[in-house]
Amino acid sequence: AQSVTQLGSHVSVSEGALVLLRCNYSSSVPPYLFWYVQYPNQGLQLLLKYTSAATLVKGINGFEAEFKKSETSFHLTKPSAHMSDAAEYFCAVRGNEKLTFGTGTRLTIIP
Amino acid sequence: DAGVIQSPRHEVTEMGQEVTLRCKPISGHNSLFWYRQTMMRGLELLIYFNNNVPIDDSGMPEDRFSAKMPNASFSTLKIQPSEPRDSAVYFCASSFRSGDSTDTQYFGPGTRLTVL
Repeated sequence: AQSVTQLGSHVSVSEGALVLLRCNYSSSVPPYLFWYVQYPNQGLQLLLKYTSAATLVKGINGFEAEFKKSETSFHLTKPSAHMSDAAEYFCAVRGNEKLTFGTGTRLTIIP
Repeated sequence: DAGVIQSPRHEVTEMGQEVTLRCKPISGHNSLFWYRQTMMRGLELLIYFNNNVPIDDSGMPEDRFSAKMPNASFSTLKIQPSEPRDSAVYFCASSFRSGDSTDTQYFGPGTRLTVL
C-alpha cells in the first residue's frame, strides 16, 4: 500500500522567504508523486508531478520538488514566497489506480 | 476548456432527505473520481470509474451512498437518506488514462453539503 506523510499541518513564512513543505512517501513500487494546491473554496490544482523522468521537477508558480529515493522524500520548495502562495498544499502518491493524499499543509505568508 | 463542472456548489438539506450531486467531466477524459473532504478525515476517494464502469467503490461509506455514470459526460453521487455526518465538501475529478499511472486528475470546484 502507498501512503504519504506531510510534516507540519501549518507553515508560516515571511514574504520573500524560502518556502519548504515536507512530504515523505511509502511505496512498495516505484512511486508516482504529486503536489496539489487548494485555494479557499476551490478545488485542487496540480502544481507538479514526478513520474521518474527527472528527480527535480519544476511546476507552476515557481514551485519545484526533488525526488530523493534514499530519503523517501518529495519536498516542495519555492525560493521566494509571495502573498498569493497562501493556500493549502497536498502531497499525493499514486498506487495502482488511486491517488492517496496526505493530510495537507496550510501555508501562511507573513507580509 | 470549461474544466470539471459540479452542481450544485452548495446544498443544505435536512436529515433523511435524498441528495444528488452532479458532475460533468472534462470532454475526452475516460476516468472519473469522487472524493470527500472533511476536517477530520481529509481527502478520501469514494469511488472511481474507468470508461463509465465503476472500478473501485471500496471508499463508499455505506449503502446510503451510490454513484452512477450513465455516459462519458455525466456522473451522479447520491446519498439516501442523508445524515448530519455526511456534511462535507464533495469533489469530482477526471483524467485521461492512457495506460500508465501518470495521468493528472483535474478537480472540480466541489459541492459543499450541509445536512441539518
